[in-house]
Amino acid sequence: EAEVAQSPRYKITEKSQAVAFWCDPISGHATLYWYRQILGQGPELLVQFQDESVVDDSQLPKDRFSAERLKGVDSTLKIQPAELGDSAMYLCASSFHRTSRRETQYFGPGTRLLVL
Amino acid sequence: DQQVKQNSPSLSVQEGRISILNCDYTNSMFDYFLWYKKYPAEGPTFLISISSIKDKNEDGRFTVFLNKSAKHLSLHIVPSQPGDSAVYFCAASGGNKLVFGAGTILRVKS
Repeated sequence: EAEVAQSPRYKITEKSQAVAFWCDPISGHATLYWYRQILGQGPELLVQFQDESVVDDSQLPKDRFSAERLKGVDSTLKIQPAELGDSAMYLCASSFHRTSRRETQYFGPGTRLLVL
Repeated sequence: DQQVKQNSPSLSVQEGRISILNCDYTNSMFDYFLWYKKYPAEGPTFLISISSIKDKNEDGRFTVFLNKSAKHLSLHIVPSQPGDSAVYFCAASGGNKLVFGAGTILRVKS
């Protein structure tokens, strides 16, 4: 069964350092999402791609976060510099159709980030 | 401003009994609702969904009920099994964005 792949699974870093997370969506899925989940809360959308284009990055802290999906397949989310408050689970999800209102999103296992 | 609320942080149920997880929403523009289940150290997995044109959708042991006038939905699991122990997230779709609740931890005791 096809799955969304993410790496690394766990990352510990010191504040002010740079970190990067990688996501490979299910093959053929046009839409890719990055979410942040803080402990005790639900996932919150950071950025949404349709193919290689950003559809929604309204909740992405652009002073320190960046995301790209250069060839419309895999994607990288970067934080520079990391802050203590960035400690969270970073989830990647993908869906088949382009910006459908009723599309099921399939999630990867996530990257657990701890900033010391 | 929490548009999707799951007011019960946790629920404990005996194996074989019914589990009822509740979710309330405030945005009347939401027209598609989903439930996801999440085990520790894994990403959320899709469980069941319902469109606003329906009031009930059933899939095996899982049934979702939607009450649009009350802006309320619930997930029923019958019978509950120990393997159902997980965090359950309610999510609502408006436009092309999913908005998630904070989750409810379900513990099924054997």
